[in-house]
Amino acid sequence: GQQVMQIPQYQHVQEGEDFTTYCNSSTTLSNIQWYKQRPGGHPVFLIQLVKSGEVKKQKRLTFQFGEAKKNSSLHITATQTTDVGTYFCAGSGNQFYFGTGTSLTVIP
Amino acid sequence: NAGVTQTPKFQVLKTGQSMTLQCAQDMNHNSMYWYRQDPGMGLRLIYYSASEGTTDKGEVPNGYNVSRLNKREFSLRLESAAPSQTSVYFCASSVRTGGYSPLHFGNGTRLTVT
Repeated sequence: GQQVMQIPQYQHVQEGEDFTTYCNSSTTLSNIQWYKQRPGGHPVFLIQLVKSGEVKKQKRLTFQFGEAKKNSSLHITATQTTDVGTYFCAGSGNQFYFGTGTSLTVIP
Repeated sequence: NAGVTQTPKFQVLKTGQSMTLQCAQDMNHNSMYWYRQDPGMGLRLIYYSASEGTTDKGEVPNGYNVSRLNKREFSLRLESAAPSQTSVYFCASSVRTGGYSPLHFGNGTRLTVT
């Protein structure tokens, strides 16, 4: 069945460095959503991408949807300690699946 | 608004015991979901309810039952708990199913089965 793979599983960065997480699907996705989960918290919706090649920005966060609609990325510029948490992608094809998440640690 | 409210927040069960996790949303959403979250495995869908009166299995339904009591409430029942069901359980809701509506999650229930 369809699965959404996410890499890396863990990432440690120094505060101020950039961070990227990648989401890949074996099948074409209708859309992709991104969520953030703070340690001990619950996932919170960040954004949705629908169009092929779409790029959206939220302050220091840049989200991309691949041309083939099989992959997506989240890039954070100049990380801050408030960026700590796990970032999940979730894609829709035949069903709606969450990726395994990337846990981001920011070292002050 | 409270959003999605889950109870209890923590629970410890012994193998074979039963329990029901409660979930209620006040956003007038049509669809509700139960997920479990385990380390390294992301969020896996247990059951969902596309609308009041309907329920369907997700990826990992074995060992669970659900009830969509009304539009607001969606409960998850473990009839005979097993250690493999130790997990964090999240209830979520959305305007509709289909993957285009953002999910709104509750705060989670941390369940340990010994």
